[in-house]
Amino acid sequence: QKEVEQNSGPLSVPEGAIASLNCTYSDRVSQSFFWYRQYSGKSPELIMSIYSNGDKEDGRFTAQLNKASQYVSLLIRDSQPSDSATYLCAPLNNAGNMLTFGGGTRLMVKP
Amino acid sequence: GAVVSQHPSWVICKSGTSVKIECRSLDFQATTMFWYRQFPKQSLMLMATSNEGSKATYEQGVEKDKFLINHASLTLSTLTVTSAHPEDSSFYICSASDRGLGETQYFGPGTRLLVL
Repeated sequence: QKEVEQNSGPLSVPEGAIASLNCTYSDRVSQSFFWYRQYSGKSPELIMSIYSNGDKEDGRFTAQLNKASQYVSLLIRDSQPSDSATYLCAPLNNAGNMLTFGGGTRLMVKP
Repeated sequence: GAVVSQHPSWVICKSGTSVKIECRSLDFQATTMFWYRQFPKQSLMLMATSNEGSKATYEQGVEKDKFLINHASLTLSTLTVTSAHPEDSSFYICSASDRGLGETQYFGPGTRLLVL
């Protein structure tokens, strides 16, 4: 079992729709979780982090965390073509000093 | 937000050449720096982790004598690809983190290496 699992996609959604990106992780001790966006040919950029169970909203983005289920998700409301990218889920490891990256989900938002 | 720079952004070199890539944290002190490699359409692959003033920890399968990492200060880490070969052509990305920033990793813009 991979440490961090994400559906590779592509996930295709129409412009204006909600995109839902999911991630499961195997390390029960993980306390901090990060979502990064990577455009093709570019390096990853941080979107948001979440530490507590529940939802955390930042603009059009909402991160959801359920530690009991070892599940974290990212919702993108009012998806735009510019949101088309690969989204990487990254829990902080149990030593608290390194992120473990999933393979990423490729999102395509169609006009 | 925290800014990480990399230099150069592009390198084209002949086979057998050694190439040095610099990674700098511009507005924070990075207790830990990470080096990744990414081949086209593939996932990020962690190569090594380095802490200031100590030897880097390499991931399994990464040759430490080929990929030399020096974390000389809290704001600078370098990766030297020694005797580069065409199969080393890739996108090399560094990231930096600091406990004061909650161990969030901030990525540099990456260096694209092409070995002819």
